[in-house]
This record gives sequence, C-alpha cells and structure tokens, in this order.
Amino acid sequence: NAGVTQTPKFQVLKTGQSMTLQCAQDMNHNSMYWYRQDPGMGLRLIYYSASEGTTDKGEVPNGYNVSRLNKREFSLRLESAAPSQTSVYFCASKLGGTDTQYFGPGTRLTVL
Amino acid sequence: AQTVTQSQPEMSVQEAETVTLSCTYDTSENNYYLFWYKQPPSRQMILVIRQEAYKQQNATENRFSVNFQKAAKSFSLKISDSQLGDTAMYFCAFIPRPGNQFYFGTGTSLTVIP
Repeated sequence: NAGVTQTPKFQVLKTGQSMTLQCAQDMNHNSMYWYRQDPGMGLRLIYYSASEGTTDKGEVPNGYNVSRLNKREFSLRLESAAPSQTSVYFCASKLGGTDTQYFGPGTRLTVL
Repeated sequence: AQTVTQSQPEMSVQEAETVTLSCTYDTSENNYYLFWYKQPPSRQMILVIRQEAYKQQNATENRFSVNFQKAAKSFSLKISDSQLGDTAMYFCAFIPRPGNQFYFGTGTSLTVIP
C-alpha cells in the first residue's frame, strides 16, 4: 500500500496562474482533507470531504476549490494563485467511524 | 470555538533525558480524541500517540506517554530516554466526536542534543 500520495512535491507559480494539487489514497478511507502549513501557524484546514460526493469548508477556504473525484482522489485547485498562498500543503485521509488521520508527504508551493 | 494551544514554540533536551511538551485545548464537547503528531525534517506527519477522552488511563507507546487531565483540558506528551531521532516538530491535535474536523496546535520544535 502506498498510503496517501500527493503530486507534485514542489511547485513554483507566478501570481495569477492556476494549478491543481492531486491527492490519492489506497486505504479505502471515507474522509479526506486538505491542510496548509505555515511557520508558526500549525496546520489549518482548507477543505474536507467526509465521504464521496460531499465537501465542506474548513478554517481557510478562500481562494481554493476542491473536487472529490471518487473515493480515492481529492484534488485542491488554486484558480488564481496569490503570494499569500505560498505554503506547504498536506492531504490526509481517515476511515469513517475511526479517528486517526494519515498524511501524505506534502507539496511545497511557492507563488512569486 | 475549538482551539489547541501549545505554549512552547521551542524546546531542547539532552540525549537520554526526559522532556515534557505541553498542550491545552478548549472545547465544549464531552467526547473527543487527542493526538500527538511528529514532523521530522522530512516533513512527513507521523502519529505518535492518541488518547480517547472517555478513557481515564493515560496512553503509552514505548518511550512516549501522555498526561491527560480532562478537567483542566490539558494533554502533555512525555518523551523518556530521548534519542537524536526524536528531533522534530510536535503537534497536538484533537477531533470532537461525532465530527470530521481536526484542530491542530501551532507546534513545538524539539531538539535533542547529543
């Protein structure tokens, strides 16, 4: 099992460009999450999907959109990147009815 | 509002010694789970230990143990016999039950000194 995978690992964008961060899990988990990690801020939830077909906003959803493509995949899209979105992005998943999240390796995104 | 506070941004400990990382949280929920995650320089988030709020017994995983004080809303992590590989950022987190949203603290950077 690969667990939770994220692509790409690194990305540099110019202000105004768009991109999609991909996340996939092979653990048959129901819930998936997108976080951003900034120095001194810990992990902040952007969006989550409790189950296939549903998505909900987290603490910092502005400037982002998500798609739960199927049970395995949960993508995060930046339509018009801004320097404030420079961060490390983590995807996570957990099995419904349990409480433990499993994290991907993260994507370091820089917006110039 | 649900919040998690880690008041120690940085800590250090001598190899083989014991260190305790602090975490407090605020919630109106009675049932929840608490976690400590470790993030080494590789950036990977690794689960260290978890505690169920309805269990009074403190969780233990090898050299890692917690001191869970529900009334005080405190959840500290004790690392015994510290090793160089314990050098990492440590995050405290919780999830209310029922619920799907996790809440994280801002982290404590731990350095183990040889």
